[in-house]
Amino acid sequence: DTGVSQDPRHKITKRGQNVTFRCDPISEHNRLYWYRQTLGQGPEFLTYFQNEAQLEKSRLLSDRFSAERPKGSFSTLEIQRTEQGDSAMYLCASSVHGGRDEQFFGPGTRLTVL
Amino acid sequence: QKEVEQNSGPLSVPEGAIASLNCTYSDRGSQSFFWYRQYSGKSPELIMSIYSNGDKEDGRFTAQLNKASQYVSLLIRDSQPSDSATYLCAVRLVSGAQKLVFGQGTRLTINP
Repeated sequence: DTGVSQDPRHKITKRGQNVTFRCDPISEHNRLYWYRQTLGQGPEFLTYFQNEAQLEKSRLLSDRFSAERPKGSFSTLEIQRTEQGDSAMYLCASSVHGGRDEQFFGPGTRLTVL
Repeated sequence: QKEVEQNSGPLSVPEGAIASLNCTYSDRGSQSFFWYRQYSGKSPELIMSIYSNGDKEDGRFTAQLNKASQYVSLLIRDSQPSDSATYLCAVRLVSGAQKLVFGQGTRLTINP
Protein backbone atom coordinates (compact mmCIF):
# COMPACT_ATOMS: atom_id res chain seq x y z
CA ASP A 1 0.00 0.00 0.00
CA THR A 2 1.83 3.05 -1.30
CA GLY A 3 -0.75 5.66 -0.30
CA VAL A 4 -2.38 8.34 -2.42
CA SER A 5 0.01 10.01 -4.84
CA GLN A 6 -0.35 13.34 -6.61
CA ASP A 7 1.55 14.92 -9.45
CA PRO A 8 2.98 17.48 -9.73
CA ARG A 9 3.71 18.51 -6.15
CA HIS A 10 4.18 22.13 -7.13
CA LYS A 11 2.95 24.13 -10.11
CA ILE A 12 3.64 27.76 -10.92
CA THR A 13 1.71 29.19 -13.84
CA LYS A 14 0.76 32.50 -15.31
CA ARG A 15 -2.77 33.83 -15.17
CA GLY A 16 -4.83 32.60 -18.09
CA GLN A 17 -2.94 29.33 -18.57
CA ASN A 18 -4.50 25.89 -18.19
CA VAL A 19 -3.19 23.40 -15.65
CA THR A 20 -3.88 19.72 -15.03
CA PHE A 21 -3.23 17.73 -11.88
CA ARG A 22 -3.19 13.97 -11.47
CA CYS A 23 -4.17 11.81 -8.50
CA ASP A 24 -3.54 8.09 -8.05
CA PRO A 25 -5.63 6.69 -5.18
CA ILE A 26 -4.74 3.85 -2.85
CA SER A 27 -5.18 0.66 -4.85
CA GLU A 28 -8.66 -0.87 -4.50
CA HIS A 29 -10.10 2.40 -3.16
CA ASN A 30 -13.12 3.01 -5.34
CA ARG A 31 -13.93 6.50 -4.02
CA LEU A 32 -11.82 9.50 -4.90
CA TYR A 33 -12.22 13.09 -3.71
CA TRP A 34 -10.78 16.47 -4.60
CA TYR A 35 -10.48 19.28 -2.05
CA ARG A 36 -8.91 22.72 -2.12
CA GLN A 37 -7.17 24.34 0.83
CA THR A 38 -6.05 27.93 1.24
CA LEU A 39 -3.80 29.26 3.96
CA GLY A 40 -5.36 29.21 7.42
CA GLN A 41 -8.46 27.35 6.31
CA GLY A 42 -9.58 23.75 6.36
CA PRO A 43 -9.91 21.84 3.10
CA GLU A 44 -13.02 22.61 1.01
CA PHE A 45 -14.74 19.87 -0.95
CA LEU A 46 -14.68 20.16 -4.74
CA THR A 47 -15.92 16.88 -6.18
CA TYR A 48 -16.05 13.12 -5.67
CA PHE A 49 -16.09 9.97 -7.78
CA GLN A 50 -17.28 6.49 -7.08
CA ASN A 51 -15.46 4.34 -9.60
CA GLU A 52 -15.67 6.36 -12.84
CA ALA A 53 -18.91 8.19 -11.97
CA GLN A 54 -18.72 11.77 -10.72
CA LEU A 55 -21.42 11.76 -8.07
CA GLU A 56 -21.10 15.11 -6.33
CA LYS A 57 -19.79 18.54 -7.28
CA SER A 58 -19.43 21.64 -5.15
CA ARG A 59 -20.65 25.05 -6.21
CA LEU A 60 -16.97 25.98 -5.84
CA LEU A 61 -16.31 23.98 -8.98
CA SER A 62 -16.90 26.68 -11.57
CA ASP A 63 -17.11 25.95 -15.28
CA ARG A 64 -13.35 26.51 -15.50
CA PHE A 65 -12.80 23.38 -13.42
CA SER A 66 -13.29 19.87 -14.72
CA ALA A 67 -12.45 16.52 -13.20
CA GLU A 68 -12.36 13.06 -14.71
CA ARG A 69 -11.74 9.52 -13.61
CA PRO A 70 -11.97 7.69 -16.91
CA LYS A 71 -11.32 4.10 -15.86
CA GLY A 72 -12.14 4.33 -12.21
CA SER A 73 -8.47 4.42 -11.24
CA PHE A 74 -6.49 7.68 -11.43
CA SER A 75 -8.20 11.06 -11.68
CA THR A 76 -7.31 14.40 -13.27
CA LEU A 77 -8.38 17.88 -12.25
CA GLU A 78 -8.05 20.59 -14.91
CA ILE A 79 -8.32 24.30 -14.34
CA GLN A 80 -8.76 26.40 -17.45
CA ARG A 81 -7.89 30.10 -17.73
CA THR A 82 -6.34 30.18 -14.27
CA GLU A 83 -6.90 33.19 -12.03
CA GLN A 84 -4.84 34.39 -9.07
CA GLY A 85 -7.66 33.29 -6.78
CA ASP A 86 -7.05 29.71 -7.86
CA SER A 87 -3.76 29.69 -5.95
CA ALA A 88 -4.18 27.01 -3.29
CA MET A 89 -3.23 23.48 -2.27
CA TYR A 90 -5.25 20.94 -4.24
CA LEU A 91 -5.72 17.77 -2.23
CA CYS A 92 -6.85 14.37 -3.38
CA ALA A 93 -8.21 11.73 -1.03
CA SER A 94 -9.48 8.19 -1.47
CA SER A 95 -11.61 5.77 0.49
CA VAL A 96 -13.26 2.38 0.24
CA HIS A 97 -17.03 2.27 -0.15
CA GLY A 98 -18.63 0.61 2.85
CA GLY A 99 -17.26 0.14 6.31
CA ARG A 100 -15.91 3.24 7.95
CA ASP A 101 -15.23 5.02 4.66
CA GLU A 102 -12.27 6.92 6.06
CA GLN A 103 -10.64 9.35 3.64
CA PHE A 104 -6.86 9.33 3.26
CA PHE A 105 -5.15 12.29 1.67
CA GLY A 106 -2.31 12.51 -0.79
CA PRO A 107 0.55 15.01 -0.43
CA GLY A 108 -1.27 17.68 -2.44
CA THR A 109 -0.38 19.88 -5.39
CA ARG A 110 0.47 23.46 -4.52
CA LEU A 111 -0.63 25.81 -7.29
CA THR A 112 0.68 29.35 -7.57
CA VAL A 113 -0.88 31.59 -10.21
CA LEU A 114 1.19 34.68 -11.01
CA GLN B 1 -23.30 29.82 11.64
CA LYS B 2 -20.50 27.74 10.15
CA GLU B 3 -21.22 24.07 9.60
CA VAL B 4 -18.14 22.99 11.57
CA GLU B 5 -16.47 25.33 14.03
CA GLN B 6 -13.17 25.12 15.84
CA ASN B 7 -11.24 27.61 17.91
CA SER B 8 -8.37 28.61 15.63
CA GLY B 9 -5.99 29.03 18.56
CA PRO B 10 -3.10 29.06 18.85
CA LEU B 11 -3.35 26.68 21.79
CA SER B 12 -0.18 26.39 23.83
CA VAL B 13 0.32 23.41 26.14
CA PRO B 14 3.40 22.40 28.18
CA GLU B 15 5.08 19.12 27.31
CA GLY B 16 3.59 16.20 29.20
CA ALA B 17 0.23 17.90 29.80
CA ILE B 18 -3.14 17.08 28.23
CA ALA B 19 -4.14 19.05 25.13
CA SER B 20 -7.88 19.45 24.60
CA LEU B 21 -9.24 20.38 21.18
CA ASN B 22 -12.89 21.13 20.58
CA CYS B 23 -15.26 21.16 17.61
CA THR B 24 -18.96 21.90 17.20
CA TYR B 25 -21.13 21.15 14.19
CA SER B 26 -24.47 22.43 13.00
CA ASP B 27 -26.20 19.41 11.45
CA ARG B 28 -27.80 17.20 14.06
CA GLY B 29 -28.07 14.40 11.48
CA SER B 30 -24.30 14.03 11.16
CA GLN B 31 -23.05 10.46 11.56
CA SER B 32 -19.29 10.41 11.09
CA PHE B 33 -16.57 12.51 12.69
CA PHE B 34 -12.86 12.64 12.05
CA TRP B 35 -9.75 14.30 13.42
CA TYR B 36 -6.85 15.03 11.11
CA ARG B 37 -3.40 16.33 12.00
CA GLN B 38 -1.66 18.66 9.57
CA TYR B 39 1.94 19.71 9.88
CA SER B 40 2.93 22.99 8.26
CA GLY B 41 3.23 22.60 4.50
CA LYS B 42 1.97 19.00 4.57
CA SER B 43 -1.36 17.35 3.83
CA PRO B 44 -3.88 16.23 6.48
CA GLU B 45 -3.23 12.89 8.17
CA LEU B 46 -6.13 10.93 9.67
CA ILE B 47 -5.58 10.22 13.35
CA MET B 48 -9.04 9.35 14.73
CA SER B 49 -12.55 8.56 13.55
CA ILE B 50 -15.61 8.29 15.79
CA TYR B 51 -19.19 7.36 14.98
CA SER B 52 -20.96 6.69 18.31
CA ASN B 53 -21.53 8.76 21.41
CA GLY B 54 -18.87 8.38 24.06
CA ASP B 55 -15.11 8.03 24.10
CA LYS B 56 -12.77 6.26 21.71
CA GLU B 57 -9.16 5.79 22.71
CA ASP B 58 -6.14 5.09 20.51
CA GLY B 59 -2.80 5.34 22.24
CA ARG B 60 -2.35 8.87 23.59
CA PHE B 61 -5.40 10.12 21.68
CA THR B 62 -9.00 10.07 22.88
CA ALA B 63 -11.91 11.27 20.77
CA GLN B 64 -15.14 12.20 22.53
CA LEU B 65 -18.51 12.56 20.81
CA ASN B 66 -21.72 14.03 22.18
CA LYS B 67 -24.37 14.09 19.44
CA ALA B 68 -27.00 15.71 21.68
CA SER B 69 -24.72 18.70 22.20
CA GLN B 70 -23.31 18.47 18.63
CA TYR B 71 -19.82 18.46 20.05
CA VAL B 72 -16.72 16.42 19.34
CA SER B 73 -13.36 16.75 21.03
CA LEU B 74 -9.86 15.34 20.88
CA LEU B 75 -7.66 14.84 23.91
CA ILE B 76 -3.93 14.29 23.57
CA ARG B 77 -2.32 12.87 26.71
CA ASP B 78 1.36 13.25 27.57
CA SER B 79 1.77 15.89 24.87
CA GLN B 80 5.04 15.82 22.96
CA PRO B 81 6.71 18.59 20.92
CA SER B 82 6.06 16.40 17.85
CA ASP B 83 2.32 16.88 18.47
CA SER B 84 2.70 20.56 17.51
CA ALA B 85 0.55 20.89 14.40
CA THR B 86 -2.84 22.09 13.21
CA TYR B 87 -5.69 19.75 14.12
CA LEU B 88 -8.63 19.64 11.76
CA CYS B 89 -12.09 18.46 12.73
CA ALA B 90 -14.08 16.98 9.84
CA VAL B 91 -17.72 15.95 9.76
CA ARG B 92 -19.75 13.99 7.25
CA LEU B 93 -22.83 16.13 7.70
CA VAL B 94 -25.73 14.14 6.27
CA SER B 95 -26.07 10.39 6.04
CA GLY B 96 -25.47 9.34 2.45
CA ALA B 97 -23.47 12.42 1.46
CA GLN B 98 -19.81 11.59 1.13
CA LYS B 99 -18.06 14.93 1.35
CA LEU B 100 -16.31 15.96 4.53
CA VAL B 101 -16.81 19.46 5.89
CA PHE B 102 -13.79 20.73 7.78
CA GLY B 103 -13.38 23.28 10.50
CA GLN B 104 -10.67 25.88 10.02
CA GLY B 105 -8.34 23.96 12.33
CA THR B 106 -6.77 24.61 15.73
CA ARG B 107 -3.07 25.33 15.81
CA LEU B 108 -1.47 23.49 18.75
CA THR B 109 1.98 24.23 20.12
CA ILE B 110 3.60 21.95 22.72
CA ASN B 111 6.22 23.80 24.71
CA PRO B 112 9.22 21.77 25.94
